Amino acid sequence: EPEVTQTPSHQVTQMGQEVILRCVPISNHLYFYWYRQILGQKVEFLVSFYNNEISEKSEIFDDQFSVERPDGSNFTLKIRSTKLEDSAMYFCASRPGTSGVGTDTQYFGPGTRLTVL
Amino acid sequence: GQNIDQPTEMTATEGAIVQINCTYQTSGFNGLFWYQQHAGEAPTFLSYNVLDGLEEKGRFSSFLSRSKGYSYLLLKELQMKDSASYLCAVSPSNDYKLSFGAGTTVTVRA
Repeated sequence: EPEVTQTPSHQVTQMGQEVILRCVPISNHLYFYWYRQILGQKVEFLVSFYNNEISEKSEIFDDQFSVERPDGSNFTLKIRSTKLEDSAMYFCASRPGTSGVGTDTQYFGPGTRLTVL
Repeated sequence: GQNIDQPTEMTATEGAIVQINCTYQTSGFNGLFWYQQHAGEAPTFLSYNVLDGLEEKGRFSSFLSRSKGYSYLLLKELQMKDSASYLCAVSPSNDYKLSFGAGTTVTVRA
């Protein structure tokens, strides 16, 4: 069964450094999302992406964040200058988006645990 | 803003039934989703309701009342592996971004 994959599984970085989190969505999916979950808290929406552009972003997704789909398979989240409070689990998700049963459902990757020191 | 409420914790015995309630107040509505999340893992899709009524999938069922802003997830014939957090999520927009509740931790005891 196709899955969303994410790399790395765990990233440790120093405050102020740039990080890039990578995701490979399910191959025929059209809509892509990033969420984060701070330890012990709820899952929070960051950004949605469709047709090579951002369709919606949350207040969390400020100028320090950016997303890109550099080729036909990868979807990346970049944090330009990390802060301590960016420490969280970051989940990528994708959904089909075409008509039919199950097209509205998002499927999540295993996550990247980001630790900012 | 979006407001999604669900109980923090529930405990049940193996083989029993547990019902997890979720109430929501959101700026729009394009469907309600239930996900299961084991500790340290990704949310896994369980069910989706967009119309009022009951959706049944094996041991799991989900109900929606849009007029009441209310849903529940019913877990039958509980197994130890069902011990997890259950997340209620609403899609308030056409973009289908998800707004999550804080999750309900279900503990299944032998």
